[in-house]
Amino acid sequence: EAGVTQFPSHSVIEKGQTVTLRCDPISGHDNLYWYRRVMGKEIKFLLHFVKESKQDESGMPNNRFLAERTGGTYSTLKVQPAELEDSGVYFCASSHGHDRGGEQYFGPGTRLTVT
Amino acid sequence: AQSVTQLDSQVPVFEEAPVELRCNYSSSVSVYLFWYVQYPNQGLQLLLKYLSGSTLVKGINGFEAEFNKSQTSFHLRKPSVHISDTAEYFCAVSDRDNYGQNFVFGPGTRLSVLP
Repeated sequence: EAGVTQFPSHSVIEKGQTVTLRCDPISGHDNLYWYRRVMGKEIKFLLHFVKESKQDESGMPNNRFLAERTGGTYSTLKVQPAELEDSGVYFCASSHGHDRGGEQYFGPGTRLTVT
Repeated sequence: AQSVTQLDSQVPVFEEAPVELRCNYSSSVSVYLFWYVQYPNQGLQLLLKYLSGSTLVKGINGFEAEFNKSQTSFHLRKPSVHISDTAEYFCAVSDRDNYGQNFVFGPGTRLSVLP
């Protein structure tokens, strides 16, 4: 079974540019989560999809971040325009829809550097 | 709201020595507890989790953790570490009563196993 994949693995962009991160969850997982780790601090929740619907986006830092999950499959996270403080590692995770307290399976992350 | 504290940001230990990585949490609701590990250049992998039942939980790679409700702790232990255990370890909680709830992570503990 393929795990959670993320693309790209690294991205270096200039301040003001746009970047789109992609996450492919494990097939059949209804729940998809985005997290971010900034500068070696704790991993923080950004948002949660259940299928194609945003269940919780309370962790999104501001309106420069836009997440979508068209068709309930893969998800994209767009940052526009990027700022220096957006640098960090963006993790995606997925979990089965009926597994209360269940494991979230994490991707390898996308390391974003804004210069 | 929940919060997780990992008091030790870095733990150096010699190979074959025992190790304990500390985790304390704060929550106004009942939680599930998890330990994840991130090896270099990889995603987060679940080590073990506490949902209910026995407070001593055994995980992969010889790790175990004990849930202590009165001390709100979930410390991770291994009796004899290997070089391959060098990684970053994250303690996390999720709301037991909120289906599909996101994780709240601690800041991580970097374990370095020395030869």
